Amino acid sequence: EDQVTQSPEALRLQEGESSSLNCSYTVSGLRGLFWYRQDPGKGPEFLFTLYSAGEEKEKERLKATLTKKESFLHITAPKPEDSATYLCAVWDSNYQLIWGAGTKLIIKP
Amino acid sequence: DTEVTQTPKHLVMGMTNKKSLKCEQHMGHRAMYWYKQKAKKPPELMFVYSYEKLSINESVPSRFSPECPNSSLLNLHLHALQPEDSALYLCASSQAGTGPYEQYFGPGTRLTVT
Repeated sequence: EDQVTQSPEALRLQEGESSSLNCSYTVSGLRGLFWYRQDPGKGPEFLFTLYSAGEEKEKERLKATLTKKESFLHITAPKPEDSATYLCAVWDSNYQLIWGAGTKLIIKP
Repeated sequence: DTEVTQTPKHLVMGMTNKKSLKCEQHMGHRAMYWYKQKAKKPPELMFVYSYEKLSINESVPSRFSPECPNSSLLNLHLHALQPEDSALYLCASSQAGTGPYEQYFGPGTRLTVT
């Protein structure tokens, strides 16, 4: 069964303290992995799509990487405005998104 | 700025009411989605329209009735809802086909059923 697991469930960092969020997946034939950011009470905001192992993408303080079993979202020198829930999803063989439960990131000033 | 808009932003309805949620996208996409999201949970797929035809219905109760009048508009008609249907309802759009395609979400409608 296709499955996506994100860890940790919550992460508290000081401003400027770099860290990584993990998204591990089990899916038959990965075709794409997506990262989204969601602020409370709002819709998810698309960040990245990764298609194959070894691929990396960057946007401001965020960098997403992909291996055959997991993806990492690295956040460098985060700011309080980076606080949000980060969601990972994979495109499954039924052409639908399988979502992880998310990581709630809190950046303290 | 979002190119997927949803109205209303908030909705409170009784269990006997009939109401509709509306979604509009200006991205030229031909696939549109309705999701339901409960607190601290990821979005849960309800319906998918592809080229204005319903392609996926994830066993959603009949008190939820989707409609796609044209390629830019998506409605969700609500009737005789239950308190457990209270949630954030999200609309999304993407390119149509086998993908993978990123989905772009609207801001959501916060629904409360009393």
